[in-house]
Amino acid sequence: AQKVTQAQTEISVVEKEDVTLDCVYETRDTTYYLFWYKQPPSGELVFLIRRNSFDEQNEISGRYSWNFQKSTSSFNFTITASQVVDSAVYFCALTLYNQGGKLIFGQGTELSVKP
Amino acid sequence: KAGVTQTPRYLIKTRGQQVTLSCSPISGHRSVSWYQQTPGQGLQFLFEYFSETQRNKGNFPGRFSGRQFSNSRSEMNVSTLELGDSALYLCASSAGTGGYQETQYFGPGTRLLVL
Repeated sequence: AQKVTQAQTEISVVEKEDVTLDCVYETRDTTYYLFWYKQPPSGELVFLIRRNSFDEQNEISGRYSWNFQKSTSSFNFTITASQVVDSAVYFCALTLYNQGGKLIFGQGTELSVKP
Repeated sequence: KAGVTQTPRYLIKTRGQQVTLSCSPISGHRSVSWYQQTPGQGLQFLFEYFSETQRNKGNFPGRFSGRQFSNSRSEMNVSTLELGDSALYLCASSAGTGGYQETQYFGPGTRLLVL
């Protein structure tokens, strides 16, 4: 069965700390995509990044970076020098080649960044 | 370019009633998907439409239905509402045919409360 696990339910950090959100996925398929979305209190899911299963290059975008490791089925997300505006729920998700656009979401990690 | 819009934003219904939610995708996007978000079950896929055809369906009872119009706008309907249908219903659109590789962009959601 396909599954996404975000073991950290809640994380609280102080502004300027670095924080890593973990994401572990399960699938027997070899062709898939992984995504990260941010959900601020307003409720709208905001797309952050997607990565296909054949591209294990890490990515950095400003203070955000992502580490994809197929060997451990993980796609972790790091925020460097966190800011209060980073406070939100973050979701990791998976799509599979034979299931179209169906996003399989993890349970989410609620990040609270305190000033 | 305007984002995904959903109407209404908030809705209160009583058990046994039915409800229709509306979604307008980003201009030019042709695929629309629907998700239900609850505290207990998280984000779950409902269905996906492309070219007025349902391409994919999640594991929900037949009380949940949807459709897509020729202008790509979509509606979902829930009949015989139950208390457990209280949730945030999110609509997402993507630019292509709804494949696993496409990025889905989400609307602000419709928050449904069933009393």
